[in-house]
Amino acid sequence: NAGVTQTPKFRILKIGQSMTLQCTQDMNHNYMYWYRQDPGMGLKLIYYSVGAGITDKGEVPNGYNVSRSTTEDFPLRLELAAPSQTSVYFCASSYLQGASTDTQYFGPGTRLTVL
Amino acid sequence: TQLLEQSPQFLSIQEGENLTVYCNSSSVFSSLQWYRQEPGEGPVLLVTVVTGGEVKKLKRLTFQFGDARKDSSLHITAAQPGDTGLYLCAGDWGGGFKTIFGAGTRLFVKA
Repeated sequence: NAGVTQTPKFRILKIGQSMTLQCTQDMNHNYMYWYRQDPGMGLKLIYYSVGAGITDKGEVPNGYNVSRSTTEDFPLRLELAAPSQTSVYFCASSYLQGASTDTQYFGPGTRLTVL
Repeated sequence: TQLLEQSPQFLSIQEGENLTVYCNSSSVFSSLQWYRQEPGEGPVLLVTVVTGGEVKKLKRLTFQFGDARKDSSLHITAAQPGDTGLYLCAGDWGGGFKTIFGAGTRLFVKA
């Protein structure tokens, strides 16, 4: 099993550009999550999904969109990139609901810079 | 706003030393998790503590959940260079997806 994979690993965007961060898991997990990690800050939940076709906002959803057409894939879309979105983005998945009852498996991250 | 504060923010020690890092909050958590994150990688779960006063051991790592379930500590005995990394605590306070992460303690163990 590859676990959780993310592409790309690095990306530089200009202000106003758009892009999609890809996330795929091969563990047949129902639950998937997107976090951002800023220097000196904890991980912040952007969006999460409890299964194909179902998504919901986390703590910091503004400026992002997600979709979940399959169990395996959970892409994160930035429509109009802003410097405030410069961060490292992590995708995660889990079998059961919520981090307290199950292990979240994280991908290696995408480092995004918006100039 | 729920907050998890971790201390110290940064710790640099020699191989063989012992250390303790802390995770504190004014809120009660139903459970708390500790993760380790290495550069260029995502966090990896080390342990989950659920019961107030609970102590869990993972080789040289000892995790304790406070009696009131508001704080936790991670003690490393005889630290090794392989312990170098960012240690994150994460608390679940509302069930479901209400999990918050601390900013982490960055540990560097010198050989």
